[in-house]
Amino acid sequence: AQSVTQLGSHVSVSEGALVLLRCNYSSSVPPYLFWYVQYPNQGLQLLLKYTSAATLVKGINGFEAEFKKSETSFHLTKPSAHMSDAAEYFCAVLGSAGNQFYFGTGTSLTVIP
Amino acid sequence: DSGVTQTPKHLITATGQRVTLRCSPRSGDLSVYWYQQSLDQGLQFLIQYYNGEERAKGNILERFSAQQFPDLHSELNLSSLELGDSALYFCASSRGETKVGELFFGEGSRLTVL
Repeated sequence: AQSVTQLGSHVSVSEGALVLLRCNYSSSVPPYLFWYVQYPNQGLQLLLKYTSAATLVKGINGFEAEFKKSETSFHLTKPSAHMSDAAEYFCAVLGSAGNQFYFGTGTSLTVIP
Repeated sequence: DSGVTQTPKHLITATGQRVTLRCSPRSGDLSVYWYQQSLDQGLQFLIQYYNGEERAKGNILERFSAQQFPDLHSELNLSSLELGDSALYFCASSRGETKVGELFFGEGSRLTVL
């Protein structure tokens, strides 16, 4: 069975500081992993996805994530936080049947001016 | 704009009532997914349809049902509503069932049950 765990339901960073949002996965097969972002009063939108190509995946808005099989992790990072990055971030894994996405419980990112 | 359209955006109703939420997927997308987002349970997968057929079922209550029509739009029917059904209901679509597929989400329908 596939699942993801997001460590830390709330993360606060200062503007300009490093953003690190943690996600660990559990999968019996090579995983397909995603990060989605949800801005207030909006639906989720894709930030980036890992599909077994390069282990370092670059996404939109300066975000990137590194797939580490040895640590079963797929943490999301951004070198310098902007106020506009304040949102809810969800990690997700695609189920082995290829038709079901399992989402983490989300991490709310606050950026302090 | 993801291209996925959900109506209504907001809905307030009473316990015991029935509501229908509608979703139009992105042009060309054959799969439609329904998710429920609540504060205490996060984003829960309800059900998936592919080209009119049910393909996967998640934590969907028996009081809830869904279908996907020939024009690929989908409806989620919620009946005998309870206070705990108050949540944001998202529809998402994807091109097909490939492992590299991604989901495109609508803006959600916020249901409040009083």
